[in-house]
Amino acid sequence: DAGVIQSPRHEVTEMGQEVTLRCKPISGHDYLFWYRQTMMRGLELLIYFNNNVPIDDSGMPEDRFSAKMPNASFSTLKIQPSEPRDSAVYFCASSLAGSGGAENEQFFGPGTRLTVL
Amino acid sequence: AQKITQTQPGMFVQEKEAVTLDCTYDTSDPSYGLFWYKQPSSGEMIFLIYQGSYDQQNATEGRYSLNFQKARKSANLVISASQLGDSAMYFCAMRDRGAQKLVFGQGTRLTINP
Repeated sequence: DAGVIQSPRHEVTEMGQEVTLRCKPISGHDYLFWYRQTMMRGLELLIYFNNNVPIDDSGMPEDRFSAKMPNASFSTLKIQPSEPRDSAVYFCASSLAGSGGAENEQFFGPGTRLTVL
Repeated sequence: AQKITQTQPGMFVQEKEAVTLDCTYDTSDPSYGLFWYKQPSSGEMIFLIYQGSYDQQNATEGRYSLNFQKARKSANLVISASQLGDSAMYFCAMRDRGAQKLVFGQGTRLTINP
């Protein structure tokens, strides 16, 4: 299995521009998560999906952020318009459904390093 | 609300020594799971070990073991016979059982010296 795939790996953009991050979860996984990692705030959960349906988006910082999962094999996280404070590493992760034990470990993608100038 | 605390921002250890990374947690749910992840300088997050709140024995995975003290709400990671490749950030995380959200600590940067 190829693991969780994210693209692009690096993104540099200017303030005000739209940014779209992409994720392909592991085939067969029911859950998909988007995290943001910064030095100041550490790893934060932004949103997660179950069977393509958003379950909890309470971590989405503001309306500039949106996420979609049109099918089981693809998700996007969009920032419009982007701001310098959005600069971070964005991780996508996926997991199987279950009771919450070790079998539900989250597998992380390599991350997208976003820099907004 | 769930909370994970890692009090050691950085640790320096000599190669081949054992190292303990501290993690304390807080939750009102009696059923939960604790996870440790490793993040090397390349940036990926690698799952290391899991401990369930009702597990009778401490979890072990190769050189990794978890010192789980439920009454103290601590779940320290022990790495035996440390290697240069163990140098990385280490994150403790927890999830209430039945939930899917992981809450992460701030991490500990471990440096193994030759």
